[in-house]
Parts: sequence; structure tokens; C-alpha cells
Amino acid sequence: AQTVTQSQPEMSVQEAETVTLSCTYDTSESDYYLFWYKQPPSRQMILVIRQEAYKQQNATENRFSVNFQKAAKSFSLKISDSQLGDAAMYFCAYRAYNAGNMLTFGGGTRLMVKP
Amino acid sequence: DADVTQTPRNRITKTGKRIMLECSQTKGHDRMYWYRQDPGLGLRLIYYSFDVKDINKGEISDGYSVSRQAQAKFSLSLESAIPNQTALYFCATSESGTGGLNQPQHFGDGTRLSIL
Repeated sequence: AQTVTQSQPEMSVQEAETVTLSCTYDTSESDYYLFWYKQPPSRQMILVIRQEAYKQQNATENRFSVNFQKAAKSFSLKISDSQLGDAAMYFCAYRAYNAGNMLTFGGGTRLMVKP
Repeated sequence: DADVTQTPRNRITKTGKRIMLECSQTKGHDRMYWYRQDPGLGLRLIYYSFDVKDINKGEISDGYSVSRQAQAKFSLSLESAIPNQTALYFCATSESGTGGLNQPQHFGDGTRLSIL
């Protein structure tokens, strides 16, 4: 079974600075997808960014980017120019190519942004 | 209006009660899912349904049952609630077919369930 590990239960960052959230996963599959979801206090689950494993280029969405290291099974999220609205729980999630779109989530990282 | 709607938003109940959490969606997706979220454990899959006649157990289905009343409706039941089922419950939907392979799941806003 696949597992997803987020080793940082909590992180904090100063407003306008950069922070990196870590995620590692365990799989024997070669084709899969990786996602980062944001959960603000409102409880919504908001997709931040996604990465297809067959793509070598790291995904980027505005201030959010990933460092995808397939051999190391690592998928970290970098948030640049952090804003107060970035404060939230962040979940890393994995989905195998033929898994019927079922997700395996990490335990989450709570990000605090200091003004 | 939200694309994926969960009711109720919050619920407090007593041990032994039967509870039903409801989920409806307007996205037209075939696939629907129920997760529970616990601190430090992330979201774990309880049940999933790929269409009205296809329902499957997830990682932690014991103590739960589901019903897919229509393409747009998927409800989760706790037949006899116990305190360790206190959690935040999420419903999600996704597309099916090859077009949905790299598509994310779309989540409702969750139901916070407390069992005393």
C-alpha cells in the first residue's frame, strides 16, 4: 500500500518570506499523480498544485511551486512571498495512475504566517 | 451555490445513535467518495462509489455504511455511533474516464461530527 509522510506537523514563516513544506511517499508504481491541498480554517479543501510523475518539469502556480524528486520519492511545496492568507493546513496527496482517482493523504502540515 | 454540498455542517450526538451524513453534487461527476479527517492522520477513505451500482469499501469502512441514491447523492451512515468516530467528514467527487485521470477531487465543506 502507498503511504504519504509529511514530517513537519507545524511550520511558521514571516510574511513575504519563502517556506518549503516537505512530503515523501512510498510506492512501487511508476505512473502516478501528486497533489497539494490547502485547508484554511473554513475547512474547505482547495487544490494548490498538481504534478504528473512522468513530467520532469516541476509544476508552478503563481507563488506556489514544487520540487519533485522522483527517485527520492519526494514532493515538496515552496511558497514564495508568503501572505497572511496562506496560513492553513497543507496536505500532500498521492494517486496511482490506475487507482480510480482515489487519493492517499499525508498527515498534514499546519503553516502559520507571522505579520 | 456550492458544487458539492454536505449536510449537516456540524452535528453533536450521543453514543449509540444512528447518524446520516448527506452529500449532493451538481458537478455531474460519476465518482463520489467519503473521507474522515483526524488530527495528524490526514484524510482517510471510508467508502467510494464509481456509479450508482458500484460501491466499494475504503481503508476504514468498519462501523460505516453508504447509500448512492442517485448520481448526485451519496450518503454516509453510522449505524450506532461511538466516540472514536468523532471526526471531520468530507465528501468528494471526481470525473471518470480517461478525461478524469489527472483531475483532482472536488470536496464539500465537511461535516464536523462529535459523539459524546
